[in-house]
Amino acid sequence: AQKVTQAQTEISVVEKEDVTLDCVYETRDTTYYLFWYKQPPSGELVFLIRRNSFDEQNEISGRYSWNFQKSTSSFNFTITASQVVDSAVYFCALFSGGGADGLTFGKGTHLIIQP
Amino acid sequence: NAGVTQTPKFRILKIGQSMTLQCAQDMNHNYMYWYRQDPGMGLKLIYYSVGAGITDKGEVPNGYNVSRSTTEDFPLRLELAAPSQTSVYFCASSPGEKLFFGSGTQLSVL
Repeated sequence: AQKVTQAQTEISVVEKEDVTLDCVYETRDTTYYLFWYKQPPSGELVFLIRRNSFDEQNEISGRYSWNFQKSTSSFNFTITASQVVDSAVYFCALFSGGGADGLTFGKGTHLIIQP
Repeated sequence: NAGVTQTPKFRILKIGQSMTLQCAQDMNHNYMYWYRQDPGMGLKLIYYSVGAGITDKGEVPNGYNVSRSTTEDFPLRLELAAPSQTSVYFCASSPGEKLFFGSGTQLSVL
């Protein structure tokens, strides 16, 4: 069975602080993909990153960075120097087992950036 | 570049009414999905399709039906709407592991 756990339901920080969103996943497959999506208040789902199970290199994109550790089954997301526009719900998701049935999502972390 | 188009964006139904949520994609993707998102929850899979004529149940299929007569279209049918079906519905398509989502349909059943 596949499972994604985002233990942080809500995080509130002051603008310019760094913040890390945690994601822990479970799968028995050796080949899988991990994703992060952003859902701003407008409601659409915005793709942020895809990482496959064979690539454990950390990735940085501007103020965003991702730390993938297979040893702990984690795929954490860090926002550096947060901004009010980063306020959103962030979802971690897993694609595995051939994936015909799509993504398994965590429950999401609501990130609030206070000015 | 339309991508995945969902209609309508908003709808209010009375208990017991029926309706169809439309989803169309123009990317020639084989895989299509319907998810629902309840407040404070992640997305849960209702139905999916791996190609025209082939559909299968996801995690929460009760109260819904789907059809896939063409590659492009994947409508979701609600029969006898119930308040428990109040949710935001997302359609998605995929060529493989990356899903492309529509903008969602907010449905209220009162």
